[in-house]
Amino acid sequence: DIQMTQSPSSLSASVGDRVTITCRASQEMNNWVAWYQQKPGKAPKSLISAASNLESGVSSRFSGSVSGTDFTLTISSLQPEDFATYYCQQYYSYPPTYGPGTRVDL
Amino acid sequence: QVQLVESGGGVVQPGRSLRLSCTASGFTFSSHGIHWVRQAPGKGLEWVAVISYDGSKTNYADPVKGRFTISRDDSDNTVYLQLGGVTAADTAVYYCARDWQRRFSPIYYLDHWGQGTPVTVSS
Repeated sequence: DIQMTQSPSSLSASVGDRVTITCRASQEMNNWVAWYQQKPGKAPKSLISAASNLESGVSSRFSGSVSGTDFTLTISSLQPEDFATYYCQQYYSYPPTYGPGTRVDL
Repeated sequence: QVQLVESGGGVVQPGRSLRLSCTASGFTFSSHGIHWVRQAPGKGLEWVAVISYDGSKTNYADPVKGRFTISRDDSDNTVYLQLGGVTAADTAVYYCARDWQRRFSPIYYLDHWGQGTPVTVSS
């Protein structure tokens, strides 16, 4: 199985900050990585597919990029509603696997 | 709008069975594969199972293979997950989610999720 590691595991930030979360895959996988946002007690919400494709209706302050096996989620200017846990997921090979999550709090 | 609503969760004794349901609306149900993903208390996401858009293919994560069964009833826009031989390790919130791909094999990108149904395995 492909292992996905995320860093940092948690971070504290302020409204307006630029936030970067990185997910590293254990092998090359083209761009088949998605990012999800989960707020406490709620279902995950898809943000980005194929490393950099923003889901319809998702704010443009979210963006994704890739360099080799490193996938990055960037929030350009953190808003109050962005405090949540973020997960990456690879869907390049079966079974799909998730990173352990990055908690973003105030 | 796309909606997925899970039901059927609850407390179940070790070794017993439970059936979860996922009822969909707002899209052509018969065109999409449907997944189940679970989240143990305080833990991350774990993919559990998928059924293809036409029901011809199913796949399961190793921890549940041989114990869980996924099925679908397109007349009711519902996918089921039958949990069998449950253990404490199966305690989690179970989410159903739609595969993005239409009318082809699932690609395992989940673009819409339900709100989840909790399952607690306890005697």
